[in-house]
Amino acid sequence: NAGVTQTPKFQVLKTGQSMTLQCAQDMNHNSMYWYRQDPGMGLRLIYYSASEGTTDKGEVPNGYNVSRLNKREFSLRLESAAPSQTSVYFCASSKARQASSYEQYFGPGTRLTVT
Amino acid sequence: GESVGLHLPTLSVQEGDNSIINCAYSNSASDYFIWYKQESGKGPQFIIDIRSNMDKRQGQRVTVLLNKTVKHLSLQIAATQPGDSAVYFCAENYGGATNKLIFGTGTLLAVQP
Repeated sequence: NAGVTQTPKFQVLKTGQSMTLQCAQDMNHNSMYWYRQDPGMGLRLIYYSASEGTTDKGEVPNGYNVSRLNKREFSLRLESAAPSQTSVYFCASSKARQASSYEQYFGPGTRLTVT
Repeated sequence: GESVGLHLPTLSVQEGDNSIINCAYSNSASDYFIWYKQESGKGPQFIIDIRSNMDKRQGQRVTVLLNKTVKHLSLQIAATQPGDSAVYFCAENYGGATNKLIFGTGTLLAVQP
C-alpha cells in the first residue's frame, strides 16, 4: 500500500497563476482532508470531505476550492495564487468517525512557493 | 475560539533519558486526542491516540496521559533515541461526527547523544 500520495512535491507559481494539487489514498478511507502548514505553526484545516460526494470548509478556506473526484482522490485548487498561499500543503485521509479507529494518515506534502 | 497549545516549544534531552511533552487543550467537549511526530521534510506520522473515556494509554516506548480536569495531555517517550528527534504535535478532535482536528503549534524534541 502506498498510503496517501500527493503530486507535485514542489511547485513555484507566480502571483495570479492557478494550479491543482492532487491527492490519492489506497486505504479505502471515507474521509479526506487538506491542510496547510506555515513555518513554526501547526497544521490548519483548509477543506475536508467526510465522504464521497461531500465537501466542507475548514478553518482557512479562502482562496481555495476542492473536488472529491471519487473515494480515492481529493484535489485542491488555487484559482489565483497569492504570496500568502506560500506554504506546505498536506493531504490526509481517515476512516469514518464511527469506525473503531479513525486516526488521520498524512501524505508527504507539497511545497508551494508563490512569487 | 477553541485552541490546542503546547507549553514548551523546544525540549532537549540526553539519549537514553525519558522525554515528556505537554499539551493544553481548551475544548472540554473534545473526545479524541492524537499525538503526531513530524520529521523534517515529511508529513506527520501517527504515534498514539486516546479517547476521553481513558486516562492513560501505552504503546511501544510511548505513553499518553489525559487529565480532563485540567484539560492537559502529555506524551512520554521512554529511553529517548536519536531517531526520536522531530517535532511533536498534539491534536484534538472537535468536529464530532466529521473527525476534524485542531493541531497545536508543535514541540521540537532534540536528542543529544
